[in-house]
Amino acid sequence: KNQVEQSPQSLIILEGKNCTLQCNYTVSPFSNLRWYKQDTGRGPVSLTIMTFSENTKSNGRYTATLDADTKQSSLHITASQLSDSASYICVVTINNLFFGTGTRLTVIP
Amino acid sequence: EAEVAQSPRYKITEKSQAVAFWCDPISGHATLYWYRQILGQGPELLVQFQDESVVDDSQLPKDRFSAERLKGVDSTLKIQPAELGDSAMYLCASSRGQGDYNEQFFGPGTRLTVL
Repeated sequence: KNQVEQSPQSLIILEGKNCTLQCNYTVSPFSNLRWYKQDTGRGPVSLTIMTFSENTKSNGRYTATLDADTKQSSLHITASQLSDSASYICVVTINNLFFGTGTRLTVIP
Repeated sequence: EAEVAQSPRYKITEKSQAVAFWCDPISGHATLYWYRQILGQGPELLVQFQDESVVDDSQLPKDRFSAERLKGVDSTLKIQPAELGDSAMYLCASSRGQGDYNEQFFGPGTRLTVL
């Protein structure tokens, strides 16, 4: 069983709308949790990083939250843009990186 | 802005042939990683180098895969012979050092298709 599960697997939203992506993990405790954005055919790029004791981190229109009690993290995207179309990967770090399978987001005009 | 470079970006080969991928990490980054990412899945670590030394190659299929970083800078990942199941994106990443708080920066990847 994958130790980092993400949902939904894919999501389609209209430009300008908000959305929230979910990450459930079993790796605990961990050093940090990152959200990466991966454009098609490109390598992942880090969006946010949170330590075990943090519960929110923002980067522009991206806001990540962390609930260590329920072992859940979410990535909220505000006022989506066409360029937000990508895969979003949740990664939990403890000695090694544990990658989720990602959520494929498509923003349509 | 410094980036991790990889080449080629795309490679198509027939099974049983040999292929090689090259990675040039960000200058000054001592730690280098090779990942394999199958379509629709997250990356899985194949090998990790600290300078020229292998730190972790536990997931590297050593019967057909090899990796080297002879001078502790750029690195080559080789597959010989390639199999159909090797079709995937091969990502290289680098970080300043080891440890959980060293952010890994990823290259654009090499998309391998084995026919």
